[in-house]
Amino acid sequence: QVQLVQSGAEVKKPGASVKVSCKASGYTFRTYAIHWVRQAPGQSLEWMGWNNADNNYSKYSQKFQGRLTITRDTPATTAYMELSSLRSEDTAVYYCARGRYDDSTSFDFWGQGTLVTVSS
Amino acid sequence: QSALTQPPSASGSPGQSVTISCTGTSSDVGAYNYVSWYQQHPGKAPKLIIYEVDRRPSGVPDRLSASVSGNTASLTVSGLQPDDAADYYCSSYAGGNNYVIFGGGTKLTVL
Repeated sequence: QVQLVQSGAEVKKPGASVKVSCKASGYTFRTYAIHWVRQAPGQSLEWMGWNNADNNYSKYSQKFQGRLTITRDTPATTAYMELSSLRSEDTAVYYCARGRYDDSTSFDFWGQGTLVTVSS
Repeated sequence: QSALTQPPSASGSPGQSVTISCTGTSSDVGAYNYVSWYQQHPGKAPKLIIYEVDRRPSGVPDRLSASVSGNTASLTVSGLQPDDAADYYCSSYAGGNNYVIFGGGTKLTVL
């Protein structure tokens, strides 16, 4: 069965960076995109960016341009999300999610979420 | 790109039907057949329940249906059950750098 398992919770200081991993199993990793979506406490979902499986191309929401890097290690079937210059407003649960097909905008499987807390 | 607009709350009694709206613009909901809906229970990851406007993933009951009219998408939950109590989010392809935008979410209460 398809599974996305994320790394554990992180506590970071303002200005630091965080890198969250997303280990995929149960499907052919190299043929599906991986997206990252975050959810601040009590708030809605926010799309951050994605990594396209076809050519390993990453695209980011304008809001995160310059601070966000999404990569994948295909042999390890793992995707990564790194967010730099953290501020308190980045405190959120970060989810990885699989696109239904490579350039789909629907996400059919999600990781369990990783809480990132930014606090001095 | 602004978030899609959803009512903050909705409610219904068991067995009844409830419809949740999701209003966008002619640049997102009204432009593409790429509206999705997600159900999220407290402390859990979202679950895809509708994709491409009105299509249900395998395992999602046909009590859940959806449509789009103009710039507004709608999700109808028929035959309400206690487990339908959750937050519901719509999303749409928006093009450009804001590839996907979400709605603010609707908390559905089953009375």
